[in-house]
Amino acid sequence: AQKVTQAQTEISVVEKEDVTLDCVYETRDTTYYLFWYKQPPSGELVFLIRRNSFDEQNEISGRYSWNFQKSTSSFNFTITASQVVDSAVYFCALSGSSGGGADGLTFGKGTHLIIQP
Amino acid sequence: DVKVTQSSRYLVKRTGEKVFLECVQDMDHENMFWYRQDPGLGLRLIYFSYDVKMKEKGDIPEGYSVSREKKERFSLILESASTNQTSMYLCASSYSGTGGRQQYFGPGTRLTVT
Repeated sequence: AQKVTQAQTEISVVEKEDVTLDCVYETRDTTYYLFWYKQPPSGELVFLIRRNSFDEQNEISGRYSWNFQKSTSSFNFTITASQVVDSAVYFCALSGSSGGGADGLTFGKGTHLIIQP
Repeated sequence: DVKVTQSSRYLVKRTGEKVFLECVQDMDHENMFWYRQDPGLGLRLIYFSYDVKMKEKGDIPEGYSVSREKKERFSLILESASTNQTSMYLCASSYSGTGGRQQYFGPGTRLTVT
């Protein structure tokens, strides 16, 4: 069975601080896919990134970066110079070899990120 | 842009009622999914469908059924609503094929069963 653990239920930081959201996963699949989604107060989930199990390169997109380490089964998300608009619930998710095609996503319980002005 | 729409943002039903939640996507996606979201539990997969008239149980299918008569529409049915089905319901869709397909989510339906 697949499992995603987001141990941080809530994080509160002051604007402009850097913040890292942790994600640890479990799967027996050799091919799998990891995702991060953002859920702002409006409620709609917004896709942020997808990473497959064969690509361990870290990725940076503006103030966002992701660190994928298969050795520790982790896929952590860092926001640099946080802004109030980053306040949201962030979900890490995992899918098997069908990659969200014939399989649904297994989500972590989410981390509520609060950025204080 | 991909658009996934859900029939209602808010719904209030009584215990024992039959409830239909509708989801429509406009991108010709093969796969459609229903999740429920509860505080402290994240999102959990109820049912999904990879083709018209095809359905697969997810992690928590008990008390629910689904219908997919047309490719663009996926309905979640609560045969006899109960208070423990009060939740946020999210529909999603994705292309089929290999390669970690991104799921696109609708805005959600917040269902209250009284």
